[in-house]
Amino acid sequence: TQLLEQSPQFLSIQEGENLTVYCNSSSVFSSLQWYRQEPGEGPVLLVTVVTGGEVKKLKRLTFQFGDARKDSSLHITAAQPGDTGLYLCAGETSGTYKYIFGTGTRLKVLA
Amino acid sequence: NAGVTQTPKFQVLKTGQSMTLQCAQDMNHEYMSWYRQDPGMGLRLIHYSVGAGITDQGEVPNGYNVSRSTTEDFPLRLLSAAPSQTSVYFCASRFPAGGGYEQYFGPGTRLTVT
Repeated sequence: TQLLEQSPQFLSIQEGENLTVYCNSSSVFSSLQWYRQEPGEGPVLLVTVVTGGEVKKLKRLTFQFGDARKDSSLHITAAQPGDTGLYLCAGETSGTYKYIFGTGTRLKVLA
Repeated sequence: NAGVTQTPKFQVLKTGQSMTLQCAQDMNHEYMSWYRQDPGMGLRLIHYSVGAGITDQGEVPNGYNVSRSTTEDFPLRLLSAAPSQTSVYFCASRFPAGGGYEQYFGPGTRLTVT
């Protein structure tokens, strides 16, 4: 069974602080996605990375795919209360049509 | 576009009852899937479909059936509900984009089995 481990599980920080969330696996993925989920709603796709070493930026969010395509990180600069939510990573192994989800990182940004 | 819609939003079943969770998308996506989300376990894939008439099992298929007669609809059937099926169920659809996929989730169905 493929596993995607996310760390930390919980994170509570003050507005304006920076943070990094990690997503690690022993499996190689053809693509990896990051989602944000708010209470009572479905996950919303933030980014997809497909190339080892790839870095993508989305405003204050920076996503990196590991060179070996086994891990990824999400860095948030100057966090805001609107960043509060559950962050999920999901990886797909080539040709399987299946995305495996990590267990999530629950972020709370305090004003 | 309504995106991915799911009904009902909430459901309470007694053990042994059956029901169907509805999912529809209006984006003409070939690929659709069902996930369940439990505390501390992320989302787990139940079943998926790569097009009308084609379905396959995910990680946790036992106790669930699916069929895909049209591109738009992908219902999930619980054959005989058990308390272990208490969960939040999400339907998703996706299309190829940029070497990966863009995946859209519905708002979810919160199911309680007593």
